[in-house]
Amino acid sequence: KAGVTQTPRYLIKTRGQQVTLSCSPISGHRSVSWYQQTPGQGLQFLFEYFSETQRNKGNFPGRFSGRQFSNSRSEMNVSTLELGDSALYLCASSSGTGKDTQYFGPGTRLTVL
Amino acid sequence: EDQVTQSPEALRLQEGESSSLNCSYTVSGLRGLFWYRQDPGKGPEFLFTLYSAGEEKEKERLKATLTKKESFLHITAPKPEDSATYLCAGRSRDDKIIFGKGTRLHILP
Repeated sequence: KAGVTQTPRYLIKTRGQQVTLSCSPISGHRSVSWYQQTPGQGLQFLFEYFSETQRNKGNFPGRFSGRQFSNSRSEMNVSTLELGDSALYLCASSSGTGKDTQYFGPGTRLTVL
Repeated sequence: EDQVTQSPEALRLQEGESSSLNCSYTVSGLRGLFWYRQDPGKGPEFLFTLYSAGEEKEKERLKATLTKKESFLHITAPKPEDSATYLCAGRSRDDKIIFGKGTRLHILP
């Protein structure tokens, strides 16, 4: 079974630009969660999508948004990039039911200059 | 507020020197305690899920245990390839997953 894939793996942007990251979950998984990982804050939950609906949201500003498509693939968008948005963005997929386990992709390394 | 705290932040061991990593949690209505391993530049790799106090799970040199306030990841006779950051996370009653900041483990040959 193929794992979680994320594209692109690396991105360099400048302040004020916007960026879109993509995540393809494990086949059959309907839940996709997004996390931001930085050395200082560790892994922080951004949001979760299940069956094309946002089911949960972390404490991030509205510049961070996402969506999920009918095939469960998900995109995350960050508008008006700031230097502090430089991080590893991780996507995790799960079945989305009850006591399930999340499986992570390799991440997208975003650098904002 | 839901919180997961891991200790120590970093740990250096000699090859073969067993030890334990600690994960303390205050997570409302805990619905699962997860352990992951993360290598530099990669996504976390799933290790274990524990659901109730007293539960234990093992995989090769790793054993995870759970009490009502803590979880431990015991590493027996570690090898250099066990060097990684180990992450602990709890799922709350409202389905949010809260991660600790991890323990960086370095095994010296």
